[in-house]
Amino acid sequence: GDSVTQMEGPVTLSEEAFLTINCTYTATGYPSLFWYVQYPGEGLQLLLKATKADDKGSNKGFEATYRKETTSFHLEKGSVQVSDSAVYFCALRETGGFKTIFGAGTRLFVKA
Amino acid sequence: DAMVIQNPRYQVTQFGKPVTLSCSQTLNHNVMYWYQQKSSQAPKLLFHYYDKDFNNEADTPDNFQSRRPNTSFCFLDIRSPGLGDAAMYLCATSRPGKEREGREQFFGPGTRLTVL
Repeated sequence: GDSVTQMEGPVTLSEEAFLTINCTYTATGYPSLFWYVQYPGEGLQLLLKATKADDKGSNKGFEATYRKETTSFHLEKGSVQVSDSAVYFCALRETGGFKTIFGAGTRLFVKA
Repeated sequence: DAMVIQNPRYQVTQFGKPVTLSCSQTLNHNVMYWYQQKSSQAPKLLFHYYDKDFNNEADTPDNFQSRRPNTSFCFLDIRSPGLGDAAMYLCATSRPGKEREGREQFFGPGTRLTVL
C-alpha cells in the first residue's frame, strides 16, 4: 500500500538557520503531496501542496518540489523563525481515493 | 470564515462512561473524517463519510461509532472508553474535486479526551 517516510526528529535549529525535512513516498498512480503543520494543542493546517511531478508548492517561505524520479517531497525554508516551532507532517492523497496517508511527523524546535 | 468546529475542546470522562464528540463544518464539504492522534504521532484514521456513505477502517475498534445526520455535522461516539482511548480526536473535511486540485483536508482544532 501507499506509504510516507519522513526524517525522524526532533530537529533543533537556531533562528535564521536553513531547514530541510526529508520526505519520501511509495504510491501507485500519481498522488497529490502535502505538508501539514501542527502547532501545540491545535489541529493540522495545510502548509503547502503539489499535485503533479515537478510542481513546487510554497507558502510562508517554505517550499517543496514534487520529484517523481526520486519519489521525494522535501520541505525547505531558507531562514527559520522561533514561530516555526511545530510538528510537520508529510502526506499523500491516494490516487482516486479519499484517504490521506501521513508520515510520522517531525518536530522542529527553533531557538532564539 | 468557513471552518471546521469541534466541541468541546477538552473532554473528561470516566472509564467505561459513554462519551460523544461533535464536529461541524461550514465548508459544505462532502467528505468528513475522524482521526485519533496520540502524542504528536501521525493521525490515525478511524472512519470517513462520503455524504451518507460510511467507511470504517478495518482496525477501528467496535467501541468507536459515528453518526452523520446531515452535511454539516458529524459525531464520534465512544461507547465504553478505556484508558487507552485517551487522545486528541481530530475531525477533518475535504471535497471530492479533481485530482489536479489536490483535495487537501481541512482540520478542526481537535478535542482532547481524558479518561479517568
